[in-house]
Amino acid sequence: EVQLVESGGNLVQPGRSLRLSCAASGFRFRGFEMKWVRQAPGKGLEWISYISSNGDRINYVDSVRGRFTVSRDNAKNALFLQMNSLRVEDTAVYYCATSSFSEWEPPEFWGQGTLVIVSS
Amino acid sequence: QSVLTQPPSASGTPGQTVTISCSGTTSNIGSNYVYWYQQFPGRAPKLLIYRNNERPSGVPDRFSGSKSGTSASLAISGLRSEDEADYYCAAWDDSLDGVLFGAGTKLTVL
Repeated sequence: EVQLVESGGNLVQPGRSLRLSCAASGFRFRGFEMKWVRQAPGKGLEWISYISSNGDRINYVDSVRGRFTVSRDNAKNALFLQMNSLRVEDTAVYYCATSSFSEWEPPEFWGQGTLVIVSS
Repeated sequence: QSVLTQPPSASGTPGQTVTISCSGTTSNIGSNYVYWYQQFPGRAPKLLIYRNNERPSGVPDRFSGSKSGTSASLAISGLRSEDEADYYCAAWDDSLDGVLFGAGTKLTVL
């Protein structure tokens, strides 16, 4: 059974940094691309980043490019999101997600999410 | 285009069939698969439909998806009170080089 467990969410002041983690289990992590998707309170879903299975392909939505960095450790079955220069509008539940079908498709499996609140 | 276009709300009575639409462009729905998700408050999205019309194991056949050109739709037949939730469509967007989601449709079972 695919399991994705996010952690690292917290209350942080604007301009500060935070690092999210996603622990994966139940599947061959090193063979799967991974995505980060977020959802602001009361709002819809927003894809923010993906990383290919070996990390050679990465992309971000414009609103986080240059501030967020996605990475992975295939030896530890872990996905990370380093978030710098956080803004109030980054407040959201952050989900890690993946798919067994193709990396060029929306996610199939989702974690339970971790809440990031950016506020002074 | 920043989001796929969905109606903000939909409603129906128990037993009815409700359809939720999702409109995009040639760079997303027109050239890629459409997915549908169900989300309850405080919960992670759950995959309902993948690759336009395929159901994951465990999803009732009351849920069905279709796609034509740059539009897609989710149909829920035999509506039940437990279907009351938010529904999102999604597709890969070639211009974005990422996933584009709809803004979501809140389904109310009257």
